[in-house]
Amino acid sequence: DVKVTQSSRYLVKRTGEKVFLECVQDMDHENMFWYRQDPGLGLRLIYFSYDVKMKEKGDIPEGYSVSREKKERFSLILESASTNQTSMYLCASSPGQDLGSQHFGDGTRLSIL
Amino acid sequence: QKEVEQNSGPLSVPEGAIASLNCTYSDRVSQSFFWYRQYSGKSPELIMSIYSNGDKEDGRFTAQLNKASQYVSLLIRDSQPSDSATYLCAVSINNNDMRFGAGTRLTVKP
Repeated sequence: DVKVTQSSRYLVKRTGEKVFLECVQDMDHENMFWYRQDPGLGLRLIYFSYDVKMKEKGDIPEGYSVSREKKERFSLILESASTNQTSMYLCASSPGQDLGSQHFGDGTRLSIL
Repeated sequence: QKEVEQNSGPLSVPEGAIASLNCTYSDRVSQSFFWYRQYSGKSPELIMSIYSNGDKEDGRFTAQLNKASQYVSLLIRDSQPSDSATYLCAVSINNNDMRFGAGTRLTVKP
């Protein structure tokens, strides 16, 4: 069974802090994704990566960056956290060319005060 | 216009009825279509995928695709209270991009 593990279930940070959200998958998937989910807006793609050290911007990359130094790990970085980045963050992975078969982590509920 | 549109609901059906969930998409080059189920407080899980026009059945679930009308639906037969969840429609464009709808909340009443 695919396991996607996000480092924190709940996180509270302050405005202006640099925030790191970590995601690890154990199935050797090529593709990894970071989404945020807000009521009424659904899942919105922030960044995705289809290989180590490769990254592509999604719909809402502003204020975020990512790092993929190893195949199993995909990190989301909030360079200077702002209150409008309070949200549920979901990491997902999928194999090769199969973007649709995404396996999600449990999510991190991030609050920026 | 949103790329993937769903009625947000809530859609309420009695136990044992057929639940019909609908999704429209705007990009004609969309190739692959998916339905995810998300229980409250949980992350989405893939339940159905469909790639060609017509119906695809898996147990009590049937996905229907009509590319000419840019329409994909999910039917749940013999609905159970455990089917109560938010259902997300997702569309893959040229297999290098994915778009999710905002989801339809389904409630199955005993």
